[in-house]
Amino acid sequence: EDKVVQSPLSLVVHEGDTVTLNCSYEVTNFRSLLWYKQEKKAPTFLFMLTSSGIEKKSGRLSSILDKKELSSILNITATQTGDSAIYLCAVSGPKDGNEKLTFGTGTRLTIIP
Amino acid sequence: EPEVTQTPSHQVTQMGQEVILRCVPISNHLYFYWYRQILGQKVEFLVSFYNNEISEKSEIFDDQFSVERPDGSNFTLKIRSTKLEDSAMYFCASRLWTGQGYTFGSGTRLTVV
Repeated sequence: EDKVVQSPLSLVVHEGDTVTLNCSYEVTNFRSLLWYKQEKKAPTFLFMLTSSGIEKKSGRLSSILDKKELSSILNITATQTGDSAIYLCAVSGPKDGNEKLTFGTGTRLTIIP
Repeated sequence: EPEVTQTPSHQVTQMGQEVILRCVPISNHLYFYWYRQILGQKVEFLVSFYNNEISEKSEIFDDQFSVERPDGSNFTLKIRSTKLEDSAMYFCASRLWTGQGYTFGSGTRLTVV
């Protein structure tokens, strides 16, 4: 059975701090790893990673995939209160199918002003 | 930016009743999905739909569940006889092609009483 594990489950930091969120996976026929931000309802797409070692960046957020270690990290620098959310990691597979997503439980990030 | 629209945002129904959850995916997308999230738990895959047929379904998606794309724009999830354990947030998602990130709708919170 496909499995995605995120850590920590919960994180509380002060505004301006840098955080690193972790995701590890065991998936047959891995296709890609995706990060989503979930505030109130809909998960909103952040990154999709398919190649190992290539960092993706969007503003203060960045992410990288390590296929050897079957893991990924999501970094947020200079955190702001608007970054408070649940961050979801999901992996998709198999390659030649509809690539359903298997989600982790998420990391709840709280930024204190 | 194009959105996936779901209605209603919240539905309360009595156990044993039928419910239909509606979704309007992004217009040129080809792959459609339903996921659900029971309160406090992971987002779980229910079903994927492509080329007017189900591509894959999970163990959760039993005979009580069905999906339809009746008119080329709407994508519906029907639960024939709701159970208390069907109470969850149901997310519709779509994407243009495999290898692209999903866009999720804002969800329908289903409460079965």
